Amino acid sequence: KAGVTQTPRYLIKTRGQQVTLSCSPISGHRSVSWYQQTPGQGLQFLFEYFSETQRNKGNFPGRFSGRQFSNSRSEMNVSTLELGDSALYLCASRPPIGGRYQETQYFGPGTRLLVL
Amino acid sequence: DAKTTQPPSMDCAEGRAANLPCNHSTISGNEYVYWYRQIHSQGPQYIIHGLKNNETNEMASLIITEDRKSSTLILPHATLRDTAVYYCIVRSWGEGYSTLTFGKGTMLLVSP
Repeated sequence: KAGVTQTPRYLIKTRGQQVTLSCSPISGHRSVSWYQQTPGQGLQFLFEYFSETQRNKGNFPGRFSGRQFSNSRSEMNVSTLELGDSALYLCASRPPIGGRYQETQYFGPGTRLLVL
Repeated sequence: DAKTTQPPSMDCAEGRAANLPCNHSTISGNEYVYWYRQIHSQGPQYIIHGLKNNETNEMASLIITEDRKSSTLILPHATLRDTAVYYCIVRSWGEGYSTLTFGKGTMLLVSP
Protein backbone atom coordinates (compact mmCIF):
# COMPACT_ATOMS: atom_id res chain seq x y z
CA LYS A 1 0.00 0.00 0.00
CA ALA A 2 1.41 3.40 -0.94
CA GLY A 3 2.35 5.72 1.88
CA VAL A 4 1.37 9.32 2.52
CA THR A 5 2.45 11.55 -0.33
CA GLN A 6 3.06 15.26 -0.23
CA THR A 7 3.59 17.72 -3.02
CA PRO A 8 5.63 19.66 -3.73
CA ARG A 9 8.65 18.41 -1.81
CA TYR A 10 10.47 21.72 -1.93
CA LEU A 11 9.22 25.24 -2.38
CA ILE A 12 10.74 28.72 -2.34
CA LYS A 13 8.51 31.75 -1.87
CA THR A 14 8.99 35.40 -0.96
CA ARG A 15 7.45 37.32 1.91
CA GLY A 16 3.85 38.32 1.36
CA GLN A 17 3.10 35.53 -1.08
CA GLN A 18 0.77 32.66 -0.36
CA VAL A 19 1.37 28.93 -0.74
CA THR A 20 -0.72 25.78 -1.02
CA LEU A 21 0.61 22.39 -0.01
CA SER A 22 -1.02 19.09 -0.87
CA CYS A 23 -1.28 15.78 0.95
CA SER A 24 -2.68 12.44 -0.18
CA PRO A 25 -3.30 10.02 2.70
CA ILE A 26 -2.83 6.29 2.67
CA SER A 27 -5.70 4.61 0.86
CA GLY A 28 -8.59 4.03 3.25
CA HIS A 29 -7.41 6.63 5.76
CA ARG A 30 -9.88 9.45 6.31
CA SER A 31 -8.12 11.50 8.98
CA VAL A 32 -5.37 13.89 7.93
CA SER A 33 -3.28 16.02 10.29
CA TRP A 34 -0.75 18.72 9.52
CA TYR A 35 2.36 19.63 11.50
CA GLN A 36 5.00 22.30 11.22
CA GLN A 37 8.61 21.55 12.13
CA THR A 38 11.21 24.24 12.74
CA PRO A 39 14.60 24.02 14.47
CA GLY A 40 13.46 26.37 17.19
CA GLN A 41 9.97 25.09 17.96
CA GLY A 42 10.25 21.45 16.95
CA LEU A 43 7.19 19.59 15.69
CA GLN A 44 3.96 21.48 16.29
CA PHE A 45 0.40 20.46 15.47
CA LEU A 46 -1.45 22.67 12.99
CA PHE A 47 -4.85 21.06 12.40
CA GLU A 48 -6.68 17.82 11.75
CA TYR A 49 -9.37 17.01 9.22
CA PHE A 50 -11.79 14.13 9.14
CA SER A 51 -14.56 13.64 6.60
CA GLU A 52 -13.95 17.12 5.17
CA THR A 53 -14.37 18.78 8.59
CA GLN A 54 -11.72 20.42 10.72
CA ARG A 55 -11.84 18.63 14.06
CA ASN A 56 -8.95 20.13 15.93
CA LYS A 57 -6.67 23.13 15.54
CA GLY A 58 -3.34 24.06 17.02
CA ASN A 59 -2.19 27.47 18.16
CA PHE A 60 -1.37 29.07 14.83
CA PRO A 61 -2.61 32.35 13.33
CA GLY A 62 -5.47 32.50 10.88
CA ARG A 63 -3.02 32.81 8.00
CA PHE A 64 -2.77 29.03 8.23
CA SER A 65 -5.79 27.23 6.88
CA GLY A 66 -6.65 23.91 5.39
CA ARG A 67 -9.33 21.82 3.82
CA GLN A 68 -10.09 18.25 2.99
CA PHE A 69 -11.79 16.87 -0.07
CA SER A 70 -14.27 14.03 -0.41
CA ASN A 71 -11.47 11.66 -1.46
CA SER A 72 -9.66 12.50 1.83
CA ARG A 73 -6.90 14.43 0.10
CA SER A 74 -6.03 17.56 2.00
CA GLU A 75 -4.48 20.94 1.29
CA MET A 76 -3.08 23.54 3.59
CA ASN A 77 -2.68 27.17 2.69
CA VAL A 78 -0.50 29.82 4.21
CA SER A 79 -1.26 33.39 3.22
CA THR A 80 0.92 36.48 3.56
CA LEU A 81 4.05 34.45 4.12
CA GLU A 82 6.56 35.57 6.74
CA LEU A 83 10.20 34.60 7.08
CA GLY A 84 9.31 32.57 10.18
CA ASP A 85 7.05 30.33 8.12
CA SER A 86 10.12 28.64 6.67
CA ALA A 87 9.76 25.09 7.89
CA LEU A 88 9.18 21.46 7.07
CA TYR A 89 5.43 20.89 6.77
CA LEU A 90 4.37 17.35 7.52
CA CYS A 91 1.14 15.59 6.80
CA ALA A 92 0.00 12.44 8.58
CA SER A 93 -2.94 10.11 8.08
CA ARG A 94 -4.61 7.73 10.49
CA PRO A 95 -6.43 4.43 9.94
CA PRO A 96 -10.19 4.16 10.47
CA ILE A 97 -11.49 3.79 14.02
CA GLY A 98 -11.35 0.27 15.36
CA GLY A 99 -8.32 -1.94 15.72
CA ARG A 100 -4.92 -1.76 17.29
CA TYR A 101 -3.55 0.99 15.05
CA GLN A 102 -6.50 3.38 15.13
CA GLU A 103 -4.49 6.06 16.95
CA THR A 104 -1.28 5.56 14.96
CA GLN A 105 -0.32 8.34 12.59
CA TYR A 106 1.65 7.68 9.44
CA PHE A 107 3.66 10.60 8.16
CA GLY A 108 4.57 11.73 4.69
CA PRO A 109 8.04 12.95 3.69
CA GLY A 110 7.09 16.59 4.16
CA THR A 111 7.27 19.76 2.11
CA ARG A 112 10.22 21.99 2.84
CA LEU A 113 9.20 25.63 2.47
CA LEU A 114 11.75 28.42 2.34
CA VAL A 115 10.49 31.99 2.57
CA LEU A 116 12.90 34.68 1.38
CA ASP B 1 -1.59 13.77 27.54
CA ALA B 2 1.11 13.02 30.09
CA LYS B 3 4.52 14.61 29.66
CA THR B 4 7.60 12.55 28.88
CA THR B 5 11.28 12.97 29.71
CA GLN B 6 14.03 11.58 27.49
CA PRO B 7 17.81 12.01 27.48
CA PRO B 8 18.82 14.49 24.77
CA SER B 9 21.36 12.16 23.18
CA MET B 10 22.75 8.65 23.27
CA ASP B 11 25.49 6.74 21.48
CA CYS B 12 25.49 3.11 20.41
CA ALA B 13 27.97 0.92 18.58
CA GLU B 14 26.78 -0.73 15.41
CA GLY B 15 25.53 -4.25 16.05
CA ARG B 16 24.89 -3.64 19.72
CA ALA B 17 21.50 -3.18 21.34
CA ALA B 18 20.29 0.39 21.74
CA ASN B 19 18.19 0.96 24.85
CA LEU B 20 16.36 4.27 24.84
CA PRO B 21 14.66 5.25 28.12
CA CYS B 22 11.58 7.38 28.61
CA ASN B 23 10.07 8.64 31.84
CA HIS B 24 6.31 9.24 31.98
CA SER B 25 5.59 9.35 35.69
CA THR B 26 2.22 11.10 35.32
CA ILE B 27 0.77 8.61 32.85
CA SER B 28 -2.86 7.73 33.45
CA GLY B 29 -4.68 4.46 33.02
CA ASN B 30 -6.00 4.99 29.51
CA GLU B 31 -2.81 6.43 28.04
CA TYR B 32 -0.62 4.50 25.67
CA VAL B 33 3.11 4.88 25.09
CA TYR B 34 4.08 5.51 21.47
CA TRP B 35 7.51 5.65 19.92
CA TYR B 36 8.33 7.39 16.67
CA ARG B 37 11.65 8.21 15.08
CA GLN B 38 12.73 10.82 12.61
CA ILE B 39 15.69 10.33 10.37
CA HIS B 40 17.21 13.63 9.30
CA SER B 41 14.83 15.72 7.18
CA GLN B 42 12.32 12.90 6.73
CA GLY B 43 8.84 12.51 8.18
CA PRO B 44 8.51 10.77 11.55
CA GLN B 45 8.18 7.00 11.36
CA TYR B 46 5.97 4.97 13.67
CA ILE B 47 7.91 2.31 15.55
CA ILE B 48 5.78 0.68 18.23
CA HIS B 49 3.22 1.35 20.94
CA GLY B 50 1.89 -0.32 24.06
CA LEU B 51 -0.33 0.06 27.10
CA LYS B 52 1.13 -2.11 29.85
CA ASN B 53 2.40 -5.33 28.32
CA ASN B 54 5.76 -5.56 26.64
CA GLU B 55 5.50 -5.40 22.88
CA THR B 56 7.75 -6.57 20.05
CA ASN B 57 7.61 -6.10 16.32
CA GLU B 58 10.03 -6.35 13.44
CA MET B 59 11.63 -3.02 14.30
CA ALA B 60 11.94 -2.95 18.07
CA SER B 61 10.80 -4.06 21.50
CA LEU B 62 9.00 -1.91 24.04
CA ILE B 63 9.42 -2.64 27.72
CA ILE B 64 7.00 -0.86 30.06
CA THR B 65 7.58 -1.02 33.80
CA GLU B 66 4.90 -2.55 35.97
CA ASP B 67 3.92 0.83 37.44
CA ARG B 68 3.91 2.26 33.88
CA LYS B 69 5.94 5.28 34.96
CA SER B 70 8.74 4.55 32.51
CA SER B 71 9.51 2.54 29.40
CA THR B 72 12.47 1.49 27.28
CA LEU B 73 12.64 1.14 23.54
CA ILE B 74 15.08 -1.54 22.48
CA LEU B 75 16.65 -1.78 19.04
CA PRO B 76 18.24 -5.23 19.32
CA HIS B 77 20.98 -4.85 16.72
CA ALA B 78 21.49 -1.21 15.88
CA THR B 79 22.68 -0.26 12.40
CA LEU B 80 23.97 3.03 11.03
CA ARG B 81 20.53 3.57 9.50
CA ASP B 82 19.02 3.68 12.98
CA THR B 83 20.72 7.03 13.60
CA ALA B 84 17.74 9.32 14.20
CA VAL B 85 15.81 11.33 16.76
CA TYR B 86 13.55 9.04 18.79
CA TYR B 87 10.36 10.44 20.29
CA CYS B 88 8.46 8.91 23.17
CA ILE B 89 4.85 10.12 23.25
CA VAL B 90 2.06 9.36 25.67
CA ARG B 91 -1.49 9.82 24.52
CA SER B 92 -5.00 8.75 25.28
CA TRP B 93 -7.14 6.51 23.20
CA GLY B 94 -10.57 7.31 22.02
CA GLU B 95 -10.33 11.06 22.36
CA GLY B 96 -11.59 11.52 18.88
CA TYR B 97 -8.59 13.65 18.04
CA SER B 98 -5.26 12.38 16.83
CA THR B 99 -2.95 15.19 17.90
CA LEU B 100 0.57 14.09 18.74
CA THR B 101 2.59 16.27 21.10
CA PHE B 102 6.26 15.85 20.28
CA GLY B 103 8.97 16.72 22.78
CA LYS B 104 12.62 17.11 21.90
CA GLY B 105 13.29 13.38 21.77
CA THR B 106 16.59 11.52 22.02
CA MET B 107 19.19 11.85 19.28
CA LEU B 108 20.62 8.35 18.84
CA LEU B 109 23.97 8.18 17.08
CA VAL B 110 25.01 4.73 15.91
CA SER B 111 28.72 4.51 15.16
CA PRO B 112 30.74 1.88 13.27
